Amino acid sequence: DTAVSQTPKYLVTQMGNDKSIKCEQNLGHDTMYWYKQDSKKFLKIMFSYNNKELIINETVPNRFSPKSPDKAHLNLHINSLELGDSAVYFCASSHWDRDYGYTFGSGTRLTVV
Amino acid sequence: AQSVTQLGSHVSVSEGALVLLRCNYSSSVPPYLFWYVQYPNQGLQLLLKYTTGATLVKGINGFEAEFKKSETSFHLTKPSAHMSDAAEYFCAVSDPGSGNTGKLIFGQGTTLQVKP
Repeated sequence: DTAVSQTPKYLVTQMGNDKSIKCEQNLGHDTMYWYKQDSKKFLKIMFSYNNKELIINETVPNRFSPKSPDKAHLNLHINSLELGDSAVYFCASSHWDRDYGYTFGSGTRLTVV
Repeated sequence: AQSVTQLGSHVSVSEGALVLLRCNYSSSVPPYLFWYVQYPNQGLQLLLKYTTGATLVKGINGFEAEFKKSETSFHLTKPSAHMSDAAEYFCAVSDPGSGNTGKLIFGQGTTLQVKP
């Protein structure tokens, strides 16, 4: 069983569309994250939820909205997609303690055309 | 602000040679430090981490790293490179300023090429 699973793996869409990426973890972790990896492979945190509560909300356009229905799921909805949103989006999870070892999903490659 | 610098965006070694990937961080307090590996079209996998205690930490696949507070470094090494080690490597630090949010700050990444 995949520990952190993201769907879809690839997403190609036109500018202006709205799309969602789903993430689920079966590790019993209580904290989940969204990271964006740009074309230069730089990773930057976007959001984090702990037990369904938003705890990190970086400077991200408000077109991006995370939702956590329970602590095993963290979805990312993006409105009015722009060319600059093209990237790989990674979901990750960890335990809520100081020993932060993330488990990453395999990523969603978003291409906006 | 907390930052991580990986010296060398691209490192090339011969199979069987020593691997050395450099990572320096800036922090006013001792951070937690991590190395992750990313194989093509995959997510990141934790190689090893330093939290407290012994400054030389061993990870998976024969990698190890040493935390040197005086040098604010956490370099990754492996005595003998295998072809399968070719991947992207990321150093990351926890952000003490974020309290207990679990936020990690990543370096720019180093591409390791292993030549036959």
